[in-house]
Amino acid sequence: QVQLVQSGAEVKKPGASVKVSCETSGYFFTDYYLHWVRQAPGQGLEWMGWINPHTGGTYYAQKFQGRVTLTRDTSISTAYMEVSRLRSDDTAFYYCARDRQLSVPDAFDIWGQGTMVTVSS
Amino acid sequence: DIQMTQSPSTLSASVGDRVTITCRASQSISTSLAWYQQKPGKDPKLLIYQASSLESGVPSRFSGSGSGTEFTLTISNLQPDDFSIYYCQQYNTFSGYTFGQGTKLEIK
Repeated sequence: QVQLVQSGAEVKKPGASVKVSCETSGYFFTDYYLHWVRQAPGQGLEWMGWINPHTGGTYYAQKFQGRVTLTRDTSISTAYMEVSRLRSDDTAFYYCARDRQLSVPDAFDIWGQGTMVTVSS
Repeated sequence: DIQMTQSPSTLSASVGDRVTITCRASQSISTSLAWYQQKPGKDPKLLIYQASSLESGVPSRFSGSGSGTEFTLTISNLQPDDFSIYYCQQYNTFSGYTFGQGTKLEIK
């Protein structure tokens, strides 16, 4: 079945970087956009950006431009999200999620299980 | 950027009730609107897309309506499993996928 499986929890110090992976299975990796969404403890959902796995093209929410990098490896059907210059307010669950379509914007029908990133000195 | 405003923030109801959650967009988004349910410690689950289309496997007691700037999620005959947090999301363009702040549906 269609699955997105993310890498495990991370603990990082302020100023460091973190890279989270999202391994996909059960569908053609290049046929659907992948998004990244974060959720701080007790807070709502915040969209970060997307990657087009077919072209490698990316788009970032303004808040995350310059500090977040989305990449993919089509040979292993895996997407990555890297956040640099981590701050304490980056402590959150990070989710990857699949867009329902490639050709037009759509809802997110499959989500990863989430990766907790804790930033603490 | 398009802002999404949900109301109410918290809603108390009983099993068997019918409830409605509202989501307003700061500008027209046609029907590019989704609803998600999220339980504590879990990833969100897609309920409704394109404002009123029910995702496969979602019970028919969930329904969505609206277009333009005003949208509603209605849950009929509330079941114990429905007490969760609900989020709306707009996806009008590839340059923004904004979520509402969430509505917590709790047992009265």
